[in-house]
Amino acid sequence: HSALTQPPSASGSPGQSVTISCTGTSSDVGGYNYVSWYQQHPGKAPKILIYEVNKRPSGVPDRFSGSKSGNMASLTVSGLQAEDEADYYCSSYAGSNIVVFGGGTRLTVL
Amino acid sequence: QVTLRESGPALVKPTETLRLTCTFSGFSLTNSGMCVSWVRQPPGKALEWLARIDWDDDKYYSTPLKTRLTISKDTSKNQVVLTMTNMDPVDTATYYCAREDTASVVFEHWGPGTLVTVSS
Repeated sequence: HSALTQPPSASGSPGQSVTISCTGTSSDVGGYNYVSWYQQHPGKAPKILIYEVNKRPSGVPDRFSGSKSGNMASLTVSGLQAEDEADYYCSSYAGSNIVVFGGGTRLTVL
Repeated sequence: QVTLRESGPALVKPTETLRLTCTFSGFSLTNSGMCVSWVRQPPGKALEWLARIDWDDDKYYSTPLKTRLTISKDTSKNQVVLTMTNMDPVDTATYYCAREDTASVVFEHWGPGTLVTVSS
């Protein structure tokens, strides 16, 4: 099970929107609606943002949204704020009770 | 309130066996649907799922690491233990335990992580 592919970096100015992609295969992202997104600030544990492709846990701002098309999932951050600067990881169920993560994307707020 | 905390040695030597303990509260691993996973992150690198143990004692392992990993639980102590044999410098990482919702395949709650360095 190979890692999912994410762009290493993304950036945007405050107030803008940015979309981070997560590309897998038909054996993971494309095969299941179990894509999650996590936000990780430096030195901290990851925090869940999105699960089951587009669901937000309570407490997560609606500026964060998820979607999927085929083998690619996306996380969109709207109305960028300074505190959104962090690393973002996608994950997907890959069958046989295996989870795979993406390589991570560092989001910079300009 | 769900909390998890990892504990174990900060430094191990190459070829040694690592033993990490995840102590949790706010849920019980005797309840149907509960499970705990281990995830690691080498410095400056991505997350990697390692293993999971379920309330019914089913266990699952990362394919490339399955021969080196063992996960177990002690429900009386609310603990999950991960052992990894034959440690190598490439295993240097922060190791996290997390409660996983298997119905949604999401890691809902994470411990703060523990950094393990492998060096002679």
